[in-house]
Amino acid sequence: DTGVSQNPRHKITKRGQNVTFRCDPISEHNRLYWYRQTLGQGPEFLTYFQNEAQLEKSRLLSDRFSAERPKGSFSTLEIQRTEQGDSAMYLCASSMTGQEGEQFFGPGTRLTVL
Amino acid sequence: AQSVTQLDSHVSVSEGTPVLLRCNYSSSYSPSLFWYVQHPNKGLQLLLKYTSAATLVKGINGFEAEFKKSETSFHLTKPSAHMSDAAEYFCVVSTGGGNKLTFGTGTQLKVEL
Repeated sequence: DTGVSQNPRHKITKRGQNVTFRCDPISEHNRLYWYRQTLGQGPEFLTYFQNEAQLEKSRLLSDRFSAERPKGSFSTLEIQRTEQGDSAMYLCASSMTGQEGEQFFGPGTRLTVL
Repeated sequence: AQSVTQLDSHVSVSEGTPVLLRCNYSSSYSPSLFWYVQHPNKGLQLLLKYTSAATLVKGINGFEAEFKKSETSFHLTKPSAHMSDAAEYFCVVSTGGGNKLTFGTGTQLKVEL
């Protein structure tokens, strides 16, 4: 399967702990996106990378959130000092330059903060 | 700012009957619009896209959508529903040069025998 993969698929953590999620995009895609989806809502944009450069961050991305894509391939999203409000599905997507609207999504990581 | 509004949170149809999922958009210029589908426990999948070419856009699995500027609408249709169409559907507009997708709140489609 050469689609977008995300790990872990589920994460349960206690409030105040740090968590890190990983996304592996489609190999030839140079753009990578992170979204957050809460129950009953559509996904909300968090941030995106072109190669290793993080080009835009949403205001939703507080100081506790950080994303990296060190070699322009896989990406990580870290949440520090998790809060119950961080509970959501975190989605990763990738695309090719010039076809940014056609994003290929991974299955997501569901985070539950107790 | 560009946005989309999905007019129905839930739609229920019988198998074999037509499907209509409604979406209105708000944009200061010609938008790029998309429909994505999300099946349970699966990733979001692109159904179709409109990028200012033909106003009637055909997608996968027999779905199509018509861009109507006068009505600021981009409704999704299918002539005959199948059980496998049951899923959540999102109307989406791209912003920031296509780098950011703004999703509607979704329409849950239920298909009954």
